[in-house]
Amino acid sequence: DTAVSQTPKYLVTQMGNDKSIKCEQNLGHDTMYWYKQDSKKFLKIMFSYNNKELIINETVPNRFSPKSPDKAHLNLHINSLELGDSAVYFCASSQEGKKQYFGPGTRLTVT
Amino acid sequence: GENVEQHPSTLSVQEGDSAVIKCTYSDSASNYFPWYKQELGKGPQLIIDIRSNVGEKKDQRIAVTLNKTAKHFSLHITETQPEDSAVYFCAASIGSSGSARQLTFGSGTQLTVLP
Repeated sequence: DTAVSQTPKYLVTQMGNDKSIKCEQNLGHDTMYWYKQDSKKFLKIMFSYNNKELIINETVPNRFSPKSPDKAHLNLHINSLELGDSAVYFCASSQEGKKQYFGPGTRLTVT
Repeated sequence: GENVEQHPSTLSVQEGDSAVIKCTYSDSASNYFPWYKQELGKGPQLIIDIRSNVGEKKDQRIAVTLNKTAKHFSLHITETQPEDSAVYFCAASIGSSGSARQLTFGSGTQLTVLP
């Protein structure tokens, strides 16, 4: 059984478009995250979210927004895509501040 | 904010030898230090973690040590096998088990185990 899943696995789109990446976890966790991994494999936190608070890393452009329809899902919506948004995006989940489990990633390519 | 430095960036060892990866962190308030293994095309997988109230933790062939005074922590893999080949990331975070933790990652180490 997949613990943290993401769709799509690959996403190719043009500059200026708006796109969403979906994330679902079946671990019963209450906290979810989005991370960005650049071409040099550097991993950086973008958001953490639970029913208490949304924490946004200050370097994340406001074109990026997390949307959580329920505790098991945290989708990432990106407006006006730019070339520099090309990266691999990982969703993760945890029970509060405990161990984080990552999804398989979504490779976003902006042309 | 927190800054985590990791070295070496690449490490090649012969099968059966040990591998050591080292990380330093900047914020003395950091209290949780996980290590992740990332295989090609996959997401990071948690392999071991340690909290600041513990100096060492071991799980089979993997061990982590933490020196709070020096603000550094290390991953030790003994009896390496070809399937240990991957990119390894250290991370650090501040916070408690009762709230979300934002991990700050090191830059990764590409470990290659030569048969």
